[in-house]
Amino acid sequence: EAGVTQFPSHSVIEKGQTVTLRCDPISGHDNLYWYRRVMGKEIKFLLHFVKESKQDESGMPNNRFLAERTGGTYSTLKVQPAELEDSGVYFCASSQIQGTNEKLFFGSGTQLSVL
Amino acid sequence: SQKIEQNSEALNIQEGKTATLTCNYTNYSPAYLQWYRQDPGRGPVFLLLIRENEKEKRKERLKVTFDTTLKQSLFHITASQPADSATYLCASNAGNNRKLIWGLGTSLAVNP
Repeated sequence: EAGVTQFPSHSVIEKGQTVTLRCDPISGHDNLYWYRRVMGKEIKFLLHFVKESKQDESGMPNNRFLAERTGGTYSTLKVQPAELEDSGVYFCASSQIQGTNEKLFFGSGTQLSVL
Repeated sequence: SQKIEQNSEALNIQEGKTATLTCNYTNYSPAYLQWYRQDPGRGPVFLLLIRENEKEKRKERLKVTFDTTLKQSLFHITASQPADSATYLCASNAGNNRKLIWGLGTSLAVNP
């Protein structure tokens, strides 16, 4: 069974440009999460989808970030326009079960560098 | 604010010994704590979950404890192997929502 896949694995862009990250969760997983790790800091929650609906987007830094999950399958996270402080590793995770038994499966992340 | 702290210093131990990693939480009472392993260039991999009403949980060579009085979880790897070398992350729920809050992680190196 394929795990969570993220694309691209690395992205280097200039300030002001647009970048779109993609996440393909494990098939059948209704829950999809985006997390980010900025260098030297803890992993931080960005948002949570249940199927195609945004359940919680309280961690999104600002309106330059837009996440979508069309048809409840893959998800994209677009940053437009990118700023220097957006650099970091963006992780996607999926899970099948909600509640205290929830176990997250993570992708390998997208390393975003904004120059 | 809710915070998880892990020992930021790398832990170096000899193969065969027991590794013990610490996770302390402040300003909240998590319903559960999770431990993940992360290798360079990869995402976190779930290892164990322990609930607030559980004192101890085991899985093969791994053992996790949860002490609500000390506000602490300990993660043990017994009979450690060089393949156990990785960063270990502690995470917990942040209230009644589904998001996790994370510690910085502790790097473990098991020397042959």
